[in-house]
Amino acid sequence: SQELEQSPQSLIVQEGKNLTINCTSSKTLYGLYWYKQKYGEGLIFLMMLQKGGEEKSHEKITAKLDEKKQQSSLHITASQPSHAGIYLCGADIGGAQKLVFGQGTRLTINP
Amino acid sequence: DTGVSQDPRHKITKRGQNVTFRCDPISEHNRLYWYRQTLGQGPEFLTYFQNEAQLEKSRLLSDRFSAERPKGSFSTLEIQRTEQGDSAMYLCASSRSPRDYGYTFGSGTRLTVV
Repeated sequence: SQELEQSPQSLIVQEGKNLTINCTSSKTLYGLYWYKQKYGEGLIFLMMLQKGGEEKSHEKITAKLDEKKQQSSLHITASQPSHAGIYLCGADIGGAQKLVFGQGTRLTINP
Repeated sequence: DTGVSQDPRHKITKRGQNVTFRCDPISEHNRLYWYRQTLGQGPEFLTYFQNEAQLEKSRLLSDRFSAERPKGSFSTLEIQRTEQGDSAMYLCASSRSPRDYGYTFGSGTRLTVV
């Protein structure tokens, strides 16, 4: 079983539309990290969230960590083709200072 | 800061052969991590080092896998007697203080066992 559950597993949206990806844990998250990955490549760091209720934004991407620190969401506003890829949430679960990852969300943007 | 460097980017090997991958972390990062990622899945933790000490190994890391980080700088991951199930992307990450600065990943080494 996955310690981190991402939903949806895949997402196809029309260019210009908004979208949300969720990441849920049954345990307290000590740190939540969002990465983007192009097929066959490494992980590109997007954002890190540490505190319950924290919200961060970069360009058109916003990530939030809920108050109980067990769920995070990634929201993209006015999606563009450059947003296409695989989005991965990783978390420090149990304070071990290593990352456990969700299974990823594959995002396709249709023109 | 040249980022985390992994070599080679791609490796094709015959079943039963040994392979070795190298990871050069960001120079001031004392923590180094190895992950394995198969198609359609998120990365799975294999092992990590703090300086030269290997502090944790996943049960995914069978006896055929060994990792080293001599002198606390670069690291190598060796797979002996490769099997087709070893085909995956092997990712390396480094960190100075994860809760302050997060983790920086390399571009990965894609292994194909034929």
